[in-house]
Amino acid sequence: DTAVSQTPKYLVTQMGNDKSIKCEQNLGHDTMYWYKQDSKKFLKIMFSYNNKELIINETVPNRFSPKSPDKAHLNLHINSLELGDSAVYFCASSQAARGLEAFFGQGTRLTVV
Amino acid sequence: GENVEQHPSTLSVQEGDSAVIKCTYSDSASNYFPWYKQELGKGPQLIIDIRSNVGEKKDQRIAVTLNKTAKHFSLHITETQPEDSAVYFCAAHSGNTPLVFGKGTRLSVIA
Repeated sequence: DTAVSQTPKYLVTQMGNDKSIKCEQNLGHDTMYWYKQDSKKFLKIMFSYNNKELIINETVPNRFSPKSPDKAHLNLHINSLELGDSAVYFCASSQAARGLEAFFGQGTRLTVV
Repeated sequence: GENVEQHPSTLSVQEGDSAVIKCTYSDSASNYFPWYKQELGKGPQLIIDIRSNVGEKKDQRIAVTLNKTAKHFSLHITETQPEDSAVYFCAAHSGNTPLVFGKGTRLSVIA
């Protein structure tokens, strides 16, 4: 069974388009995250949600809007895509009360052309 | 906020040799230090972690050491195998903040 699953795995789109990436976890965790990994492999936190509430929003352009309909889902919507948005986006989850181990999804490789 | 430095950025070793990756952190309140392995086309996977009340932890060929005074921790892989080739990330955590990652080490094990 997949613990943290993201869709799609690959996404190629033109500049200016709006796109969404979906994430679901079946681990019963209460905290979910979005990380961005650039071409140099640097992993940077974008958002953190705890029990559907936003708790951390790093310096991310407001074109990026996370949505958490329930504890098991955290989707990422991106408006007006730019070339610099090209990266691999990882969803992750953890259960704060049971330790801090974060489980990552397989990633979504976004290419903006 | 927390800042994690990781060295080296690339590391090549012969199969069977040991590999060591080092990280330093800035926030003395950090209390959890995991190591992740990322294989090509996959997400990072936890391979070992250590908490601030422990100085060393070992799991088969992998060990992690922590020096709280100096604020550094290291990953040791012994008897390396080609399948150990991957990008390794250290991370640190304090309070309610998400993990802060180092910039990664690309390990190549040459058969």
